[in-house]
Amino acid sequence: DGGITQSPKYLFRKEGQNVTLSCEQNLNHDAMYWYRQDPGQGLRLIYYSQIVNDFQKGDIAEGYSVSREKKESFPLTVTSAQKNPTAFYLCASTTAVYNEQFFGPGTRLTVL
Amino acid sequence: SQQGEEDPQALSIQEGENATMNCSYKTSINNLQWYRQNSGRGLVHLILIRSNEREKHSGRLRVTLDTSKKSSSLLITASRAADTASYFCATDAKTGNQFYFGTGTSLTVIP
Repeated sequence: DGGITQSPKYLFRKEGQNVTLSCEQNLNHDAMYWYRQDPGQGLRLIYYSQIVNDFQKGDIAEGYSVSREKKESFPLTVTSAQKNPTAFYLCASTTAVYNEQFFGPGTRLTVL
Repeated sequence: SQQGEEDPQALSIQEGENATMNCSYKTSINNLQWYRQNSGRGLVHLILIRSNEREKHSGRLRVTLDTSKKSSSLLITASRAADTASYFCATDAKTGNQFYFGTGTSLTVIP
């Protein structure tokens, strides 16, 4: 069963805590992306990675960090420096040929 | 900004009617993709149209692309209540590896 998985589905964070969102794909895609979605809004790019051990900042990278140690995995850490982290986080991966982008089911993060 | 913009922001139709939503963008693109998002869920990929294509069909979906006007339209024919969702377009520019999403069209199909 191929696809993109994200965990957990819901995540609660206390002020000052770092949390890590998981994203795994078994589609053999090289490129992976993290987006943030706020209510009634479109998607904003946080970070993306074209290959293992390399990643680039998107439009709203401040307060977030990522790693890409394996092709299949692209975890996102929301640090305490992110002042307004409550949002819906979406991970995506992209085919090499036509740049089709596919999404995981998302993680909803709430700061308590 | 290269962000796509969907129009209208919200659309409400009766079941069986056709729904048309539009997307405009600002720079030259490689591809344009349409997605559906049900409330609280991830985005489902509907269709990709390349910059050298003008029209594409998939089931009840018809997508057109006019690169001279930098716009695309998504037509859903014979709508169903299950089509109720938000629809987004996304573009990827000829330069760079980023995708740009609009704020979406919220479609409500009334049974």
